[in-house]
Amino acid sequence: AQKITQTQPGMFVQEKEAVTLDCTYDTSDPSYGLFWYKQPSSGEMIFLIYQGSYDQQNATEGRYSLNFQKARKSANLVISASQLGDSAMYFCAMSGGGKLIFGQGTELSVKP
Amino acid sequence: DTGVSQNPRHKITKRGQNVTFRCDPISEHNRLYWYRQTLGQGPEFLTYFQNEAQLEKSRLLSDRFSAERPKGSFSTLEIQRTEQGDSAMYLCASSFYAGFETQYFGPGTRLLVL
Repeated sequence: AQKITQTQPGMFVQEKEAVTLDCTYDTSDPSYGLFWYKQPSSGEMIFLIYQGSYDQQNATEGRYSLNFQKARKSANLVISASQLGDSAMYFCAMSGGGKLIFGQGTELSVKP
Repeated sequence: DTGVSQNPRHKITKRGQNVTFRCDPISEHNRLYWYRQTLGQGPEFLTYFQNEAQLEKSRLLSDRFSAERPKGSFSTLEIQRTEQGDSAMYLCASSFYAGFETQYFGPGTRLLVL
């Protein structure tokens, strides 16, 4: 069965610093996708970044990058130059036959 | 570009009542998903459609839950005889399937069953 694990319930980061949010996954499928979503207190899930299992390079989207280590089955999200508006819940997810399988989430708090 | 919309945004109901939620996907998207999220947890998959066909239902989806997507456009999720355990955020997402796809979520419907 596919599984996503996020071991950091909460993280703090100083404004303008970088932060890494951890995500490990488990699957026996050779082809899969990994996603990160941001969920502010309003509740909407906002897509941030995607990494395909066959992609050779790590995905980047603006201040977001995904540190994909296939052998270790990890897909950590790196946020550079944190901003106050980055304070939110962050979810790692894996595509499995269409549906997404989510981790428990990490609550990020950015300090001024 | 209009995103995914969901109505109502909030619903309070009494135990035993029926409720129906609506989701309008992004217009060109052929797949539509329903998820449920309880406090402090990640979203859990409920069901999804490709066009008007319901392709998968989670074992979480009891017989009290039913979803439809007539004509492959908007979708409705109905919960019959609501229970307090149904209190959650119900999230809808849509995507254009062409191999791997990115799902875009709506704002969700918060359900409280008293």
